[in-house]
Amino acid sequence: SQKIEQNSEALNIQEGKTATLTCNYTNYSPAYLQWYRQDPGRGPVFLLLIRENEKEKRKERLKVTFDTTLKQSLFHITASQPADSATYLCALPSGGSYIPTFGRGTSLIVHP
Amino acid sequence: DAGVIQSPRHEVTEMGQEVTLRCKPISGHNSLFWYRQTMMRGLELLIYFNNNVPIDDSGMPEDRFSAKMPNASFSTLKIQPSEPRDSAVYFCASSSGGVPGELFFGEGSRLTVL
Repeated sequence: SQKIEQNSEALNIQEGKTATLTCNYTNYSPAYLQWYRQDPGRGPVFLLLIRENEKEKRKERLKVTFDTTLKQSLFHITASQPADSATYLCALPSGGSYIPTFGRGTSLIVHP
Repeated sequence: DAGVIQSPRHEVTEMGQEVTLRCKPISGHNSLFWYRQTMMRGLELLIYFNNNVPIDDSGMPEDRFSAKMPNASFSTLKIQPSEPRDSAVYFCASSSGGVPGELFFGEGSRLTVL
């Protein structure tokens, strides 16, 4: 099955800068990859999905890339705001199923 | 729509007691998932239902855990007997099916077993 790796250390950035979060996987390239946001005490909320044949996907200030050669997805938040502070989880299908398996998430802290 | 509704939001119980967590998925969604989240292991899939039928329960830790979905609008996750290591946040999620599907999560049930 897949091993999904996200940086366990919190990412601290200044407001207005671009935040970049990384999701690496170890085995076969999945058919898709999703990104979710989770606030403390809340359930994860879906943000973006990118398919294996897509290199890049954008939604407002969010951009996701998918490099099947590097087995990596990058999640960017441009012009970051303190309200973007949260934990960001990547998810992808694992073990022959299409059901998403989640990474441990990376905490983003945007300082005003 | 009210979203996925879970109850209780918080549960504190003693070891050996039975715990029942409840979930109401979004109306019209035909897939339902139970996940468990801990600091040590992150978010783990426990069981997945499609059209009320359990499809994959390989994530259920052991026989102490059971899940049911008697109809399209209700599911339960039961732990009997509960143990301290079951302490976690349990999330229910639903999706409208299709591959791949966006999961809609509830707010979770935080379980503490003393």
